Amino acid sequence: AIRMTQSPSSFSASTGDRVTITCRASQGISSYLAWYQQKPGKAPKLLIYAASTLQSGVPSRFSGSGSGTDFTLTISCLQSEDFATYYCQQYYSYPPAFGQGTKLEIK
Amino acid sequence: QVQLVQSGAEVKKPGASVKVSCKASGYTFTGYYMHWVRQAPGQGLEWMGWINPNSGGTNYAQKFQGRVTMTRDTSISTAYMELSRLRSDDTAVYYCARAGYCSGGSCYSSGWFDPWGQGTLVTVSS
Repeated sequence: AIRMTQSPSSFSASTGDRVTITCRASQGISSYLAWYQQKPGKAPKLLIYAASTLQSGVPSRFSGSGSGTDFTLTISCLQSEDFATYYCQQYYSYPPAFGQGTKLEIK
Repeated sequence: QVQLVQSGAEVKKPGASVKVSCKASGYTFTGYYMHWVRQAPGQGLEWMGWINPNSGGTNYAQKFQGRVTMTRDTSISTAYMELSRLRSDDTAVYYCARAGYCSGGSCYSSGWFDPWGQGTLVTVSS
């Protein structure tokens, strides 16, 4: 099974900051990667699929890049509503696997 | 709009079974796979399996084989996930989520999950 590892597991930032979250796959997954945002008590929300395609309705300050084993999610200018936990997910092979999550907190 | 609405919270004793429902609306229910993902308190996301609502075919994660059964009722666009022989570590929020699709005679079960149901908390406690 493919393992997904995110870094960092948590960190603090301020509104207006540019932040980057990294996701690494244990083997190549081409561009079969999605990113989700989850707020407390809510279901995950799809942000990006196919590594870099922004889901409809998601603000353009979110962007994704990468292919193969290394991927990044970037938020260009943090807003207050962006403080949440972020997960990556590979759908290249079964079973689908998620990273352990990155909790983004207010500094 | 495309929406998945799940049944309410459940409290079960160890050894019992639970059945969670997921009602789809806003799209052709039989055109997309329905997956189930769970999240233990304070933990990450764990994929459990999928059902093809058109054929009824299923694929379960190895961890849950023998304990999970996924079914559907196409007449009411609803998918179900039943987990048996519950243990305390099955306490979690269970989500249904749409992924994959069937088109032109071909089906693709994998993909990104969108949308998600609101989640159903299942608490297993004696």
